[in-house]
Amino acid sequence: GAGVSQSPSNKVTEKGKDVELRCDPISGHTALYWYRQSLGQGLEFLIYFQGNSAPDKSGLPSDRFSAERTGGSVSTLTIQRTQQEDSAVYLCASSLGGGVGYTFGSGTRLTVV
Amino acid sequence: AQSVTQPDIHITVSEGASLELRCNYSYGATPYLFWYVQSPGQGLQLLLKYFSGDTLVQGIKGFEAEFKRSQSSFNLRKPSVHWSDAAEYFCAVVRNTGTASKLTFGTGTRLQVTL
Repeated sequence: GAGVSQSPSNKVTEKGKDVELRCDPISGHTALYWYRQSLGQGLEFLIYFQGNSAPDKSGLPSDRFSAERTGGSVSTLTIQRTQQEDSAVYLCASSLGGGVGYTFGSGTRLTVV
Repeated sequence: AQSVTQPDIHITVSEGASLELRCNYSYGATPYLFWYVQSPGQGLQLLLKYFSGDTLVQGIKGFEAEFKRSQSSFNLRKPSVHWSDAAEYFCAVVRNTGTASKLTFGTGTRLQVTL
């Protein structure tokens, strides 16, 4: 597609439920990134995928968080047993790699009640 | 590890006034440097980037930034601010490795423009 698409744009969930956030990167972009933006905080790196390499999961805050990227394209970020502190905007970005040309999606605003 | 510092959390300027947003980075080699803007409820939009060469880079919307190695800075400037520039601005750095590497962001500067 023309840009990075994220769905849903907004998600309200009850504490303890699992949620899945989806990211469709730009076609041909080999690198895909997930970031989290909490109220009053900067952007926190979560995970990135580069081609067929093992993902860099160093930013995932707990084992409740996981992500996968199927077929080198679409990615899903899963948060299990959501907590109120998981409330944030989750941003996805893709790039051709080489540290250049990042394009961000509009994000998914997650609210845990 | 690389880091980015944006010392100003919030800045208010009058429309038509000049603007400078500060950014300092910490990294031994020459990094890739970026400025992004985020309007309320929107994703991040790239304003400009520096990889190498001319240390003064021009971006979209009339913004420019200057890379100063001696000061480890990459400050964003605009000669005349418009009300529509009110947004949050993020400086970011990527390690110059030639492979995909994560962006490290500053905590952002919120710009308010008064009429």
